Amino acid sequence: DIQMTQSPSSLSASIGDRVTITCRASQSISRYLNWYQQKPGKAPKLLMYAASTLQSGVPSRFSGSGSGTDFTLTISSLQPEDFATYYCQHTYSTLTWTFGQGTKVEIK
Amino acid sequence: EVQLGQSGAEVKKPGESLKISCKASGYSFTNYWIGWVRQMPGKGLDWMGMIDPGDSDTRYSPSFQGQVTISADKSITTAYLHWSSLRASDTAMYYCVRRIAVAGTWAFDFWGQGTMVNVSS
Repeated sequence: DIQMTQSPSSLSASIGDRVTITCRASQSISRYLNWYQQKPGKAPKLLMYAASTLQSGVPSRFSGSGSGTDFTLTISSLQPEDFATYYCQHTYSTLTWTFGQGTKVEIK
Repeated sequence: EVQLGQSGAEVKKPGESLKISCKASGYSFTNYWIGWVRQMPGKGLDWMGMIDPGDSDTRYSPSFQGQVTISADKSITTAYLHWSSLRASDTAMYYCVRRIAVAGTWAFDFWGQGTMVNVSS
């Protein structure tokens, strides 16, 4: 199975900060990588697919990059509504669409 | 408006059976696979499996194969997740999701609100 490892597991940041979250796959997954945002008590929301394509309605301060095994999610200027947990997910092989363990972004 | 409306929270005992539901609306139900995702308390997300509501073709994550059954009734645009014998370790929030094909890959673009299942003696 392909394992997805996110780092850091949590981070503290201030409003306006640039934040970067990393996701590493245990083998190459091309660009079959999605990012989701989950706020407390809510269902996850799709942010980005194919590593760097923003889902409709997602603010442009979110961006993604990477291919192969290493990917990043960047928030260019952190806003109050961005405090949440972020998950990466690969869709490289049909039956094992593994998620990363999550990165919790907290207020400093 | 696309919506996935899930059934309410459940409290069950170990060994009991359970079927939770996911009612889809606002789109053509048979055009998109519906999947299920587990989130254990305080933990991350686990992909369980999915179904093509058009022909009931079903795929399971190896971790959940044989542990649950996914089904759908296209006449009422509803998908289901069924356990024949619950365990305490099944205690979790369960989300249904709509799978879309985008940019040569797939993603889950709509999520239900979740169904909390609590299994305790």
